[in-house]
Amino acid sequence: DGGITQSPKYLFRKEGQNVTLSCEQNLNHDAMYWYRQDPGQGLRLIYYSQIVNDFQKGDIAEGYSVSREKKESFPLTVTSAQKNPTAFYLCASKLAGDEQFFGPGTRLTVL
Amino acid sequence: AQSVTQLGSHVSVSEGALVLLRCNYSSSVPPYLFWYVQYPNQGLQLLLKYTTGATLVKGINGFEAEFKKSETSFHLTKPSAHMSDAAEYFCAVTSIKAAGNKLTFGGGTRVLVKP
Repeated sequence: DGGITQSPKYLFRKEGQNVTLSCEQNLNHDAMYWYRQDPGQGLRLIYYSQIVNDFQKGDIAEGYSVSREKKESFPLTVTSAQKNPTAFYLCASKLAGDEQFFGPGTRLTVL
Repeated sequence: AQSVTQLGSHVSVSEGALVLLRCNYSSSVPPYLFWYVQYPNQGLQLLLKYTTGATLVKGINGFEAEFKKSETSFHLTKPSAHMSDAAEYFCAVTSIKAAGNKLTFGGGTRVLVKP
């Protein structure tokens, strides 16, 4: 079955640690996106990538980093510079002109 | 710049009653509009979308939405609510001009269905 997988489902981080969230898709989609979701605020775009080896900052990129070395993979690193990282993180992908398909999400909690 | 406003962060409906979720958008170019549904601790699932053509759009699970350009609205309706409709609903906008075709989301509306 084609789809988007995110791992882990739950992640706990100590303050000052970097953590990497995985996002993999086997839909052969060109574009991939990372969103952060906080209660009552909808989804906010962190980073997006339209092709391999290229990515752009979204609305709230500070404290995050990404890479796009393979078409199928778009990992997100939450760095220690992100002051309030506790949130639900969603990855999405799309073909040009089509709607975005979402993964199941990773819930990150800072201890 | 694009923006989306969803009126009402919480809506409570009785089972069998009409579901109406309001969405107003702002866009300087013709918009592409979407409604997504999210169940607890899950990703988003597309309910329906409007890009061009017919302004009344039918989606999954009996939902439909109507694009009204003059009112800059894209309200979501379902004639008869079911217990399984309890979830959070997000309206989103993009356009052919949006960088990376990125979506701008509203704040979401949580639907509670009473038996």
